Amino acid sequence: QLQLVESGGGLVRPGGSLRLSCAASDFPFNDYFMTWVRQAPGKGLEWLSYISADSVDTNYADSVKGRFTISRDNAKNSLYLQMNSLRAEDTALYYCARLVYPYYTMDVWGQGTTVTVSS
Amino acid sequence: EIVLTQSPATLSVFPGERVTLSCRASQDIRNNLAWYQQKPGQAPRLLIYAASARVTGIPARFSGSGSGTEFTLTISSLQSEDFGFYYCQQNNNWPPRITFGPGTTVHI
Repeated sequence: QLQLVESGGGLVRPGGSLRLSCAASDFPFNDYFMTWVRQAPGKGLEWLSYISADSVDTNYADSVKGRFTISRDNAKNSLYLQMNSLRAEDTALYYCARLVYPYYTMDVWGQGTTVTVSS
Repeated sequence: EIVLTQSPATLSVFPGERVTLSCRASQDIRNNLAWYQQKPGQAPRLLIYAASARVTGIPARFSGSGSGTEFTLTISSLQSEDFGFYYCQQNNNWPPRITFGPGTTVHI
C-alpha cells in the first residue's frame, strides 16, 4: 500500500536541531520528487522544500532557507529534513509528500510528525 | 512571491447544495493551480491539479476551472463527508516556489 511515514519529531529548545525522516513504501521512490510541508497548530499549509529524484535539484521556502536541509537516500527509500537553528515559529506538524513533476502538486502524503520548539 | 487569496474564508452549507470556492493569484499563473481537501486530524488530499484535472478516485461532483489569476473549485452537490478545509496551491514560478492559499472552511 502506497505509504509515507514520518518520524523524528519531538520537543526541542530554541536554537536546537532536529532531523526528520520519511520512509516511503510501495512505489518507485527513486522516480519521484519529494517535498516537505508543515502546518502550525490551527493554521494553514506551508511548503518548505523539495528535492528532485536524483537529488540534483533542491529548493527552499525563504522562511527556512539556510536553516533547513532536505536530502534523500534512494537506496533506503527515505527522505530527510535536517532542521537547525530552530525557532518557536517552527512549531508545527511536518508532512512529507510525493511531488508530481511537472505539476509540482502533492499526490501522496504522510500523516505527519510533530515538532515543538520551546524552552 | 505569488500570493493566493481564497474566498470565502468560511462557508456553511446544506447537503445537496452547489458550492463554489474561489482562489485568486496575485499574478498570472496560467493553469498551475491545485486544490486539496483536508479534514481535521488528517493529511491533505489532492483533488484537482492543473486547474481542472481531477485526480483518479475523486468523485465527479468536484470540478475545477479557471486560468490566469482566477480559479474556482465547484462541488456540484455537497455531501456530508465534504466538510473540512480546502486549500489552493500554485507552482508557477521558476524555480518553483510553491505557495498555498489560506484556505476555506466548509461547514455542513
